[in-house]
Amino acid sequence: EVQLLESGGGLVQPGGSLRLSCAASGFTFSSYAMSWVRQAPGKGLEWVSSISAGGVNIYYADSVKGRFTISRDNSKNTLYVQMHSLRVDDTAVYYCAKPSSAWSPFDYWGPGTLVAVSS
Amino acid sequence: EIVMTQSPATLSVSPGERATLSCRASQSLSGNLAWYQQKPGQAPRLLIYDASTRATGIPARFSGSASGTEFTLTISSLQSEDFAVYYCHQYNDWPRTFGQGTKVEIK
Repeated sequence: EVQLLESGGGLVQPGGSLRLSCAASGFTFSSYAMSWVRQAPGKGLEWVSSISAGGVNIYYADSVKGRFTISRDNSKNTLYVQMHSLRVDDTAVYYCAKPSSAWSPFDYWGPGTLVAVSS
Repeated sequence: EIVMTQSPATLSVSPGERATLSCRASQSLSGNLAWYQQKPGQAPRLLIYDASTRATGIPARFSGSASGTEFTLTISSLQSEDFAVYYCHQYNDWPRTFGQGTKVEIK
């Protein structure tokens, strides 16, 4: 059974940093691109970043480019996103998502972790 | 950036009735369009990919279609568990983008 479990969320002050993790199991993690998608409270879904299976190809939304860094450790079956210079509008539930193949849409999602940026 | 525009924002439907949700893309997607369902407090669930292919385990009452840059999700006979928010999502180009969502509520 495919499982994705995010961790690392919490309350952080504006300008602060946070690292989220996503532990994956039930599939060959190293064979799949992975992504982060976020959802601000009461709002819609926003794609944040994606990384290829081997970590070579990386993409970011303009809203996070230069502040967030996606990475993965295939030996630990874990996806990360390092977030710096956090802003109030980064407040959201962050989901880790797996595509069904290559760069296809997301067939599995984690339950999400809440990041709250507030003073 | 490809802009995805969903309509209507809210759709009020009685159980057993048909629901038709629309999504328009600002440019060609070559069929690379997905639909998700999201219920309160839950992660999204993939319903349709490649514009018209049902994901694993999705009931046949959900169907997707496309005409150029216009995409439609149809729920043929709404069940109580179908009342939720639905999002379209393009995966044809970077950045990936989502529509703003259509809430299907009980009439």
